[in-house]
Amino acid sequence: AQSVTQLGSHVSVSEGALVLLRCNYSSSVPPYLFWYVQYPNQGLQLLLKYTTGATLVKGINGFEAEFKKSETSFHLTKPSAHMSDAAEYFCAVNKAAGNKLTFGGGTRVLVKP
Amino acid sequence: NAGVTQTPKFRVLKTGQSMTLLCAQDMNHEYMYWYRQDPGMGLRLIHYSVGEGTTAKGEVPDGYNVSRLKKQNFLLGLESAAPSQTSVYFCASSSVSRDGPQNQPQHFGDGTRLSIL
Repeated sequence: AQSVTQLGSHVSVSEGALVLLRCNYSSSVPPYLFWYVQYPNQGLQLLLKYTTGATLVKGINGFEAEFKKSETSFHLTKPSAHMSDAAEYFCAVNKAAGNKLTFGGGTRVLVKP
Repeated sequence: NAGVTQTPKFRVLKTGQSMTLLCAQDMNHEYMYWYRQDPGMGLRLIHYSVGEGTTAKGEVPDGYNVSRLKKQNFLLGLESAAPSQTSVYFCASSSVSRDGPQNQPQHFGDGTRLSIL
């Protein structure tokens, strides 16, 4: 069974500082990887995904993530945090032959002025 | 631009009552999913459907039933509500690529907040 671990349930960053959200997965086969963002009282929105090809993936709102197979990681970064980035972020994994996402526990980001 | 629409948005039930949550999507997606979201646990899959007339169990199916009589609708039923089913429920849908559904993003509704007293 695959699992997804997000290190840190809460992260606090200052406006303009680097945002780094960590995601590690366990999978016996090459996975498809996703990052979703959830704003208060809303559903999840796709930030970015890795399927095949380039391991550095760019998403919306200035976010990007790098797939590192040797580290089984897919960490999410943004060079400069904005107040509007305050939300909860979820990493998710799908197997190459599957149709069911496995989600991490989520990381809530607080942006301080 | 409706996407995935969930009704109702909020509901309070008493233990033992039954109810149905409705999910409708207007994107002609083949796959539909029901999740529950609980603090610190991310989203957990309850049931899913790979097409009209099909349903399958997910990670936490006990106490729930589903039906997909029409491609655009996916219903989640609670036959006898229990306090442990207090949660936020999300419906999602996804398309199918040439390689299958696994590399397609899921599109989510805004959720239904359900409290069981």
